Amino acid sequence: EVQLVESGGGLVKPGGSLRLSCAASGFTFSSYSMNWVRQAPGKGLEWVSSISSSSSYIYYADSVKGRFTISRDNAKNSLYLQMNSLRAEDTAVYYCARDDGSDWYFDLWGRGTLVTVSS
Amino acid sequence: EIVLTQSPDFQSVTPKEKVTITCRASQSIGSSLHWYQQKPDQSPKLLIKYASQSISGVPSRFSGSGSGTDFTLTINSLEAEDAAAYYCHQSSSLPLTFGGGTKVEIK
Repeated sequence: EVQLVESGGGLVKPGGSLRLSCAASGFTFSSYSMNWVRQAPGKGLEWVSSISSSSSYIYYADSVKGRFTISRDNAKNSLYLQMNSLRAEDTAVYYCARDDGSDWYFDLWGRGTLVTVSS
Repeated sequence: EIVLTQSPDFQSVTPKEKVTITCRASQSIGSSLHWYQQKPDQSPKLLIKYASQSISGVPSRFSGSGSGTDFTLTINSLEAEDAAAYYCHQSSSLPLTFGGGTKVEIK
């Protein structure tokens, strides 16, 4: 089955760190660019970061630049998001999403993992 | 940053009725506009790509149109299972952005 499964979310204090993972299966992970998109409780969607298939190109939203790091391990079919210096406004469900590399539309989404930043 | 403005924010619709959701971009984005459906407690699902291109497995009652700055998602003959939030998304330039969403409720 073609799917993405996120993990690693949880409760963290402001200023803390968390590492999210996304396990891909059912498709050739190394052929696709991957992304993180988040959704604050009751709010809309916000793009966070993108990484190309070979990690040659990496992009971040201004709101997370310098604090978050996206990476991938094609041998393990996995995508990661290292989140440092977390703030209350980072509280959201974090989705990993696939794009086909030719353009940034997301044709496959995971179920998401909730990150709560609170003291 | 390209801002996408969706309207309406909320729509309550009777089954079999036609639904029209608009998305306006703050500058021209060609056809780099995509639509997603998000049902309650689910992740988003791609409905339409490049403004009007259909996606395999998506019911034919969903269609998209537009180019440049003005785009429309149309749901013909709404069904109960279409109750969801709908988002437009532009891939013309970074940062990638989404519209604020339109919640469709079934009367």
